[in-house]
Amino acid sequence: GAGVSQTPSNKVTEKGKYVELRCDPISGHTALYWYRQSLGQGPEFLIYFQGTGAADDSGLPNDRFFAVRPEGSVSTLKIQRTERGDSAVYLCASSLGESPKETQYFGPGTRLLVL
Amino acid sequence: AQSVTQLDSQVPVFEEAPVELRCNYSSSVSVYLFWYVQYPNQGLQLLLKYLSGSTLVESINGFEAEFNKSQTSFHLRKPSVHISDTAEYFCAVRPAGGTSYGKLTFGQGTILTVHP
Repeated sequence: GAGVSQTPSNKVTEKGKYVELRCDPISGHTALYWYRQSLGQGPEFLIYFQGTGAADDSGLPNDRFFAVRPEGSVSTLKIQRTERGDSAVYLCASSLGESPKETQYFGPGTRLLVL
Repeated sequence: AQSVTQLDSQVPVFEEAPVELRCNYSSSVSVYLFWYVQYPNQGLQLLLKYLSGSTLVESINGFEAEFNKSQTSFHLRKPSVHISDTAEYFCAVRPAGGTSYGKLTFGQGTILTVHP
């Protein structure tokens, strides 16, 4: 079956611009997660959704970052007034349920470059 | 809060040699432990996980990891590596309960390079 998909695969933007990154989870998965991976580092948690609501957004670095999941499936990560430090690979994952025993399945990521 | 330390950023090894990738963690609550692998130009894939029971867990491709609670470690081992095992390996922990149980905390990764 289809895995987690993310679009675009690459995004180049200029400092100060607004970007949206999209994640399509595995069909039937109720939990969705966003992570950010900087060069040479492991992924860092940003936000987690159970259904339509954000269950934990403690990893969002500041109020320029926002994520939505209006129908409990597709999610969009939105970054306002981008900065060069936002350059990273943004990873999305989904799991069947919200139990901490559930495996998180990762998408291929969106590579964001802010010039 | 949780933290994960992978003690080696790069591990070069010859084909058919044994390998150990080290992982130590810190947490104030009980955690579940995971190893993920990222092959070149691919996404993160789960390799194995420890939830409960036997402290030794195995993957389908010959890797194993042992949970050591007293040493807060979850080292990954393989007795004989193949060229195809060349990848970056990430150790991760997830709280077993509480308000942050959705969050995986990753180490910085270990690049395993298998030479012929």
